[in-house]
Amino acid sequence: AQSVAQPEDQVNVAEGNPLTVKCTYSVSGNPYLFWYVQYPNRGLQFLLKYITGDNLVKGSYGFEAEFNKSQTSFHLKKPSALVSDSALYFCAVRDVENSGYALNFGKGTSLLVTP
Amino acid sequence: DTAVSQTPKYLVTQMGNDKSIKCEQNLGHDTMYWYKQDSKKFLKIMFSYNNKELIINETVPNRFSPKSPDKAHLNLHINSLELGDSAVYFCASGRLSYEQYFGPGTRLTVT
Repeated sequence: AQSVAQPEDQVNVAEGNPLTVKCTYSVSGNPYLFWYVQYPNRGLQFLLKYITGDNLVKGSYGFEAEFNKSQTSFHLKKPSALVSDSALYFCAVRDVENSGYALNFGKGTSLLVTP
Repeated sequence: DTAVSQTPKYLVTQMGNDKSIKCEQNLGHDTMYWYKQDSKKFLKIMFSYNNKELIINETVPNRFSPKSPDKAHLNLHINSLELGDSAVYFCASGRLSYEQYFGPGTRLTVT
């Protein structure tokens, strides 16, 4: 089965510092990987995706992610965190084992950025 | 001009009732989805619907049924509601190889 794992329940970082939210994947074939953010009582917002090509993917709100095939990782990064980045972050992989191509999500990582 | 919309935003009902949640997308996507987010924030696919082909997650009870009157709509019907059905339900749409866009969610509370 196509799956992703987010090893951290929570990440704390001071405003202005770089942040990393970790994600590892387990897939058969080429992975289609995504990051989403969920603010309290809101839907999920798409941040970025890796389909193919450059291993460094740039997305919305200054976020980027690095695809690492040897480590089967797709970590989310931002050079300088903002308090407004505090939210729940989900890594996801497209499920290619059924024709619906639904997303399989990690458990989520809560990011807290303190002033 | 909301891309994916859901109604209602909140739904409070009693056990045993039948309810529906509506979803509409104006993005022209060919595939729509329903996801369930439980109290621990775990997100799980319930249904995928593409060109009249329905893919059902085998763990979803048959009390849940999606209905698609046209490509822009995928409604979720739930019969004989149970306490364990309380959750946030998200509709999403997308093209098969690309990202999905999510609605704002419907918080269902069964009492």
